[in-house]
Amino acid sequence: EIVLTQSPGTLSLSPGERATLSCRASQSVSSIYLAWYQQKFGQAPRLLIYGASSRATGIPDRFSGSGSGTDFTLTISRLEPEDFAVYYCLQYGSSPFLYTFGQGTKLEIK
Amino acid sequence: EVQLVQSGAEVKKPGESLKISCKAFGYSFTNYWIGWVRQMPGKGLEWVGIIWPDDSDTRYSPSFQGQVIISVDKSISTAYLQWSSLKASDTAMYYCARPRTTGATDWFDPWGQGTLVTVSS
Repeated sequence: EIVLTQSPGTLSLSPGERATLSCRASQSVSSIYLAWYQQKFGQAPRLLIYGASSRATGIPDRFSGSGSGTDFTLTISRLEPEDFAVYYCLQYGSSPFLYTFGQGTKLEIK
Repeated sequence: EVQLVQSGAEVKKPGESLKISCKAFGYSFTNYWIGWVRQMPGKGLEWVGIIWPDDSDTRYSPSFQGQVIISVDKSISTAYLQWSSLKASDTAMYYCARPRTTGATDWFDPWGQGTLVTVSS
């Protein structure tokens, strides 16, 4: 079973700053099997990044993903007010847990 | 437009049964897996299971095996998540979601709007 650990649990930043969110896997994950989601209160998750670094349709280019092996990163280059939310990484494709989510990082306004 | 539309919120008592639904629009229902994800109040996302609608091949998370049943009705492009005897700990938002690629269990996109299940005596 692959466990995904996200850090930090909460990140307090101001609009305009750069955010760096981490997702660490307990064993090596193929980069094509790692995605990132944004979830705002009361809404379904929204896909941001798939294949570790490919932006989903309509996602602003201030969002970028990187990493390989066991360490993956979501970077938001300049925070906009609408970016404050909870972010989850997702690993897919391994057995028996076909899908595993990280526990989430809450990005809050400082 | 590809869309997943879920049934409305439910309030049930412990021990009752429940079946919630997820209706698919805008794509060939039998050509994509469809999955379920749980989010307990104030908590993160957990994968429940996934089903291949064409033959009902179903894979459950070991954490949910034996606790829920996932099924489909191909004739109306609808997937279901059901419980035979609800517990208070089943209280959560449940999302259905479809993998991006036909025939693959890859990243989920799109998602349904969620169904809130509340179990309370």
